[in-house]
Amino acid sequence: DVKVTQSSRYLVKRTGEKVFLECVQDMDHENMFWYRQDPGLGLRLIYFSYDVKMKEKGDIPEGYSVSREKKERFSLILESASTNQTSMYLCASSLIAAPNYGYTFGSGTRLTVV
Amino acid sequence: GNSVTQMEGPVTLSEEAFLTINCTYTATGYPSLFWYVQYPGEGLQLLLKATKADDKGSNKGFEATYRKETTSFHLEKGSVQVSDSAVYFCALGRGNAGNMLTFGGGTRLMVKP
Repeated sequence: DVKVTQSSRYLVKRTGEKVFLECVQDMDHENMFWYRQDPGLGLRLIYFSYDVKMKEKGDIPEGYSVSREKKERFSLILESASTNQTSMYLCASSLIAAPNYGYTFGSGTRLTVV
Repeated sequence: GNSVTQMEGPVTLSEEAFLTINCTYTATGYPSLFWYVQYPGEGLQLLLKATKADDKGSNKGFEATYRKETTSFHLEKGSVQVSDSAVYFCALGRGNAGNMLTFGGGTRLMVKP
């Protein structure tokens, strides 16, 4: 089974801190995605990457950056955390050659910024 | 552009009731269609999918049929259980290099004993 692992289930950080959310997948998927999920707003795409060192902005990239130095790892960075970044963050991956398989998601990281 | 519209929730049912969650889409071409389920405190899991018109996806008693003529992919289950309480997301996928999925807003289902 494909596994997408997010390093933390729950995280509490202070306003202004630099925050790293890590995501690792073990099935050699080219595509990786970061979403945030908020009540009433569904899933919103922050960034995605289709190859090492490649990244594309999603719908809500402001206040975030990403890093993909290795194929299996995709990191989301909050440069200076703010309370409006309190949310559930979901990482996902997919295989370019298998577009009909959809995404595999991690279990999510619930981030609280105080 | 592509979009997915789901019925707003929450949907509250008694155990063993029949479930329908409506999903309609707008897309060019012939996208693949998916239903994902998110149990409390978890990430999303793929529930079922259909890749072409008239295909029926099914899993765990849930079914959905890809209806091109009505651009719909409604989720159904004949007899829900308390354990089916979750948020359900409809999504469409395009087979481009990014394999981007477009998600609906999600529908929360609550099943009471």
